[in-house]
Amino acid sequence: ETGVTQSPTHLIKTRGQQVTLRCSSQSGHNTVSWYQQALGQGPQFIFQYYREEENGRGNFPPRFSGLQFPNYSSELNVNALELDDSALYLCASSPGPTSYNEQFFGPGTRLTVL
Amino acid sequence: QQQVKQSPQSLIVQKGGISIINCAYENTAFDYFPWYQQFPGKGPALLIAIRPDVSEKKEGRFTISFNKSAKQFSLHIMDSQPGDSATYFCAASGWGGGSQGNLIFGKGTKLSVKP
Repeated sequence: ETGVTQSPTHLIKTRGQQVTLRCSSQSGHNTVSWYQQALGQGPQFIFQYYREEENGRGNFPPRFSGLQFPNYSSELNVNALELDDSALYLCASSPGPTSYNEQFFGPGTRLTVL
Repeated sequence: QQQVKQSPQSLIVQKGGISIINCAYENTAFDYFPWYQQFPGKGPALLIAIRPDVSEKKEGRFTISFNKSAKQFSLHIMDSQPGDSATYFCAASGWGGGSQGNLIFGKGTKLSVKP
């Protein structure tokens, strides 16, 4: 059984550009949540996808958007990048969308915005 | 309302000692309280979790103590080892957030275990 994988590992972009990050969920999991972790901080919830639909969103602007595919893998898209978007982006998969389902994190994508 | 407050920010413990990290929450709708361990450059790894119907859960050297009336929970690491040196995050989830399953994290505790 493979765990949660994310790509790419590292990414450098300039302000104003757009970026797409990818996440493959763990086998048997239908829910993916995305988190942003700034340096020295705890992860902050961006949004969750359950069976290809957005199932909740944190306090992030609309330029953060996502998708979930029929195989439950997911993408995070960020438009009009800002310097403050520099962070570790984590995805977590779980067997369902509720708090009764444990979330398992991938290794993250380190995004640097110059 | 949505915050989870974690302390201390950093902790230094001698090998073999007990490491204790504390968290407090406000939202009584939270019903799941996990602890995650994170090494530099890695994603958080689920260590142990508890639900509010029990006051304590033990897995190996790791124990969660939960006080529902005080809205506090803590992680105890017994016989701390240098390999335990990492950042530890408490978290909570339940109705009241963006979705029921989203985790609200504390700010983390950097644990250093000295040999």
